[in-house]
Amino acid sequence: NAGVMQNPRHLVRRRGQEARLRCSPMKGHSHVYWYRQLPEEGLKFMVYLQKENIIDESGMPKERFSAEFPKEGPSILRIQQVVRGDSAAYFCASSPPIEGMNTQYFGPGTRLTVL
Amino acid sequence: SQQGEEDPQALSIQEGENATMNCSYKTSINNLQWYRQNSGRGLVHLILIRSNEREKHSGRLRVTLDTSKKSSSLLITASRAADTASYFCATAVPFAGGTSYGKLTFGQGTILTVHP
Repeated sequence: NAGVMQNPRHLVRRRGQEARLRCSPMKGHSHVYWYRQLPEEGLKFMVYLQKENIIDESGMPKERFSAEFPKEGPSILRIQQVVRGDSAAYFCASSPPIEGMNTQYFGPGTRLTVL
Repeated sequence: SQQGEEDPQALSIQEGENATMNCSYKTSINNLQWYRQNSGRGLVHLILIRSNEREKHSGRLRVTLDTSKKSSSLLITASRAADTASYFCATAVPFAGGTSYGKLTFGQGTILTVHP
């Protein structure tokens, strides 16, 4: 059973470009979470999705950021018109649809650098 | 200050010694989890302790939880150089609506260095 997969592992964008980060959860997992980690800091929750639904996006900036988890395919975190402050590591995690089991399995992350 | 703060921020020990890291949090929780992150890598789940548990063991790891003090500790016994990493505690708070699924709130982490 492959773990959580994220791609690309490294992404370089110039200011104003768009960044698209992909996450494939573990097989059988229908819950996906996105977190952002700034240098020397812990992870900050951004958004929690189930298939085709956003459950909680309280940690996601209101502008330029969006996330989706379609019925088919990976979850996508999209950042439009990137700025230097968006440079960070973005981690995706998934968990199984078992009530009360909240262990989240993390992917290797995508390191976004905005020039 | 935020939910889930680790103490100390950095810890340097010799191989074979025990390492203890502490975590404090602010709100009621469903469970508390400890993760390890090697430099530049993703997070590895170490152990989960539920709010109705007081102590849990996994190999060389021992986790305690004191909900009255809103604190947890992670003990790594007989440390090895390979244990060098950042360690994060994360608390799971239920979403509004009563579901048991919870977003994780991470602390700043403890950087552990184990010298051979």
